[in-house]
Amino acid sequence: QVQLVESGGGVVQPGTSLRLSCTGSGFTFRSYAMQWVRQAPGRGLEWVALISYDGSHQFYADSVKGRLTISRDNSKNTLYLQVHNLTLEDTAVYSCARDMGRGSDYWGQGTLVTVSS
Amino acid sequence: AIQMTQSPSSLSASVGDRVTITCRASQDIRDDLGWYQQKPGKAPRLLIYASSILESGVPSRFSGSGSGTEFTLTISSLQPEDFATYYCLQDYNYPRSFGQGTKLEIK
Repeated sequence: QVQLVESGGGVVQPGTSLRLSCTGSGFTFRSYAMQWVRQAPGRGLEWVALISYDGSHQFYADSVKGRLTISRDNSKNTLYLQVHNLTLEDTAVYSCARDMGRGSDYWGQGTLVTVSS
Repeated sequence: AIQMTQSPSSLSASVGDRVTITCRASQDIRDDLGWYQQKPGKAPRLLIYASSILESGVPSRFSGSGSGTEFTLTISSLQPEDFATYYCLQDYNYPRSFGQGTKLEIK
């Protein structure tokens, strides 16, 4: 069965960087675009970034452009999100999702990033 | 960037009711819109994609319609497990954007 498992979250200080990972299994990871979505506590879903199936194209939300880098290693079935210069507003659950081009059909449970001094 | 305006932000309804949630796009997005259901502490679940196509395994009481800038999600007869928060997401272009969400509560 398809599974997506995120890791790498935790409590971090403002101004630092963090790398999140999402490992996929049960499907041909290299055939799908993948994306990150985040949800701040008590808030709605926020689309963050998407990377094409082969990693050649990346797209970002305007609110995070320049501070986040999405990447992937298809040999490891793993998606990454590097977040630089973290601020309190980056506190959220970060989830990865498989993209079908029209809809995202599988989602991970998310990893919580808490930015706190 | 395309703005998605979802309404209402919250809705109280009873089991058996018919409910409709609306999403409006700030520009024409053809039929490139999906609807997602999220329950507390859980990952979002895809219900509808391409505005009106029911995702496999989703009950037929869910339906979607619309094109261009106005879209609706309809639940024909609410069941207890349908009380959740619903989001639309445009996948017409980048950056993609969600609506603000509609929290569906039991009356």
